[in-house]
Amino acid sequence: TQLLEQSPQFLSIQEGENLTVYCNSSSVFSSLQWYRQEPGEGPVLLVTVVTGGEVKKLKRLTFQFGDARKDSSLHITAAQPGDTGLYLCAGKEGNMLTFGGGTRLMVKP
Amino acid sequence: NAGVTQTPKFQVLKTGQSMTLQCAQDMNHEYMSWYRQDPGMGLRLIHYSVGAGITDQGEVPNGYNVSRSTTEDFPLRLLSAAPSQTSVYFCASSKGLAGGANTGELFFGEGSRLTVL
Repeated sequence: TQLLEQSPQFLSIQEGENLTVYCNSSSVFSSLQWYRQEPGEGPVLLVTVVTGGEVKKLKRLTFQFGDARKDSSLHITAAQPGDTGLYLCAGKEGNMLTFGGGTRLMVKP
Repeated sequence: NAGVTQTPKFQVLKTGQSMTLQCAQDMNHEYMSWYRQDPGMGLRLIHYSVGAGITDQGEVPNGYNVSRSTTEDFPLRLLSAAPSQTSVYFCASSKGLAGGANTGELFFGEGSRLTVL
């Protein structure tokens, strides 16, 4: 099983600030997904990246897959209180999706 | 719009008791899986199934059994509950996750919170 490490584990910022969350592994994934989870609910997919070097944008969120397909980052521009939640990366290996430990983000008004 | 339905939402067990967490999906997804979520550890895969009649182990299968007799249902059984199995359990399904190159989205249920005393 491939290990996915996310950093930071916790992040508390003010509204309007920018932030980056990292997802790193020593192994290669065929694809990588980012999910967001709110309290009392299951995770919801934000994006899937497949190709090394791929960049995808979702409004103020920018996702990048590393050239070697071992790491990924999520950058949020001008964070808003609605961005508060647990962000999880997940790498695909065969028929299994392995999740990182998550980054808990709090955006204060 | 049911999606993935898990029951029960909350359960308290005593050590050694058995129980089954139910999971049903109405999206005709061939892929189903069970995860447990513990603080600071993200989601860990327990078992998964790529279709009816086929199951396989994930990262943390010990203490859990599954079966997949229909496309819709994927129950998770705890045969003899232990305090270490106290966790939040999520069932998830996907249309296109199975297969090396496929990248299907996982749809999650709302979770089942289990406490073992």
